[in-house]
Amino acid sequence: QVQLVQSGAEVKKPGASVKLSCKAPGYTFTAYHIHWVRQAPGQGLEWMGIITPIDGATMIAQELQGRVTLTRDTSTSTVYMQLSSLRSDDTAVYYCASERSGGNWDYWGQGTLVIVSS
Amino acid sequence: QTVVTQEPSLTVSPGGTVTLTCASNTGAVTSGCHPNWFQLKPGQAPRTLIYNRDNKHSWTPARFSGSLFGGKAALTLSGVQPEDEAEYYCLLYCGATWVFGGGTKLTVL
Repeated sequence: QVQLVQSGAEVKKPGASVKLSCKAPGYTFTAYHIHWVRQAPGQGLEWMGIITPIDGATMIAQELQGRVTLTRDTSTSTVYMQLSSLRSDDTAVYYCASERSGGNWDYWGQGTLVIVSS
Repeated sequence: QTVVTQEPSLTVSPGGTVTLTCASNTGAVTSGCHPNWFQLKPGQAPRTLIYNRDNKHSWTPARFSGSLFGGKAALTLSGVQPEDEAEYYCLLYCGATWVFGGGTKLTVL
């Protein structure tokens, strides 16, 4: 049940930035929160942050504050996640996921592989 | 810092019943933590099975159920099928942030 469409894989060098996109169905875009979650190789899921498309409000996980920026473009029903100062341990599959208010998580994107390597 | 703990691994026989749990180091898990459960298989995106403690999506098989038990969130699989072999993650809303558990690898053997 994938209704969020994410951008393609990226390969970046340490210290660079990456900007991923997540396109949501237009009719649901402003009715949902969009979360970003990542899974590094052999590791569990890590919550990164949330954006509320209707007003652009964001909240970022404490350990990623200062490196993660979440934005949205309401004209294209797309949210973006930018991760800066990339390190090798940022190598992971990055997912976006939607949540109706009140903790009702539902749909996930297909994931975007980001490889950070010199 | 909130830490959410799950059993690292569990094994169940086909047709059996198994319960996975999800605990928080800050205290009892309540409905206010909005427990969610996800299934993750290799090469696939996560799939949300249970939201807000015990609510199922239209795609959630009937054999999956969520609850609160003994201060923890719980996911019970009744009549386990071979295709249920996967990793299962719980997610809690703790103090204005979301925290995943470490995941449970469920083996059907």
